[in-house]
Amino acid sequence: DTAVSQTPKYLVTQMGNDKSIKCEQNLGHDTMYWYKQDSKKFLKIMFSYNNKELIINETVPNRFSPKSPDKAHLNLHINSLELGDSAVYFCASSPNDRVDGYTFGSGTRLTVV
Amino acid sequence: GNSVTQMEGPVTLSEEAFLTINCTYTATGYPSLFWYVQYPGEGLQLLLKATKADDKGSNKGFEATYRKETTSFHLEKGSVQVSDSAVYFCALLSGAGSYQLTFGKGTKLSVIP
Repeated sequence: DTAVSQTPKYLVTQMGNDKSIKCEQNLGHDTMYWYKQDSKKFLKIMFSYNNKELIINETVPNRFSPKSPDKAHLNLHINSLELGDSAVYFCASSPNDRVDGYTFGSGTRLTVV
Repeated sequence: GNSVTQMEGPVTLSEEAFLTINCTYTATGYPSLFWYVQYPGEGLQLLLKATKADDKGSNKGFEATYRKETTSFHLEKGSVQVSDSAVYFCALLSGAGSYQLTFGKGTKLSVIP
């Protein structure tokens, strides 16, 4: 069983389109995250939700909107895609004590053309 | 704020060589420290962790010791294998109530036969 699963794994789309990435975790964790990894492998947090409540919202264009229908799901919707949005997006989850760090999904490689 | 600095790569070693990847941190309070590994085309996996000063984390032949006096958490392995080729990330989680795992920029390791 995959602990944190993201779909799709690859996403190629044109500038200006709207797209969504889905994330689900079956670990019973209370907190979920979205990270962006750029072409130099640098990881930057975008959002974090705890029990469906937004708790971290870093400086991210408002074209990016997270949605958490329940604590097992955190989806990322991106409007009006730009070339600079091309990156790998990782979903992660953790229990509240975070003693073991985070569990990451396998990533979604987004390419905007 | 919190930050993690790790040695820049890429690092290229011959099989069975000794590996050290340096990591130092700046944090408020008493952080937990982690090493994550990202194999090509995959997500991040927790490699090892340490939650208090002088703790040693170890896994798969890798080790790192939490040194509060030097604010360091250097990763070591006595004899690397080709299968260890990956990107290694040092990370910290600081204090109670902190929901954000802060990563270093990653160090790419290539092991050649």
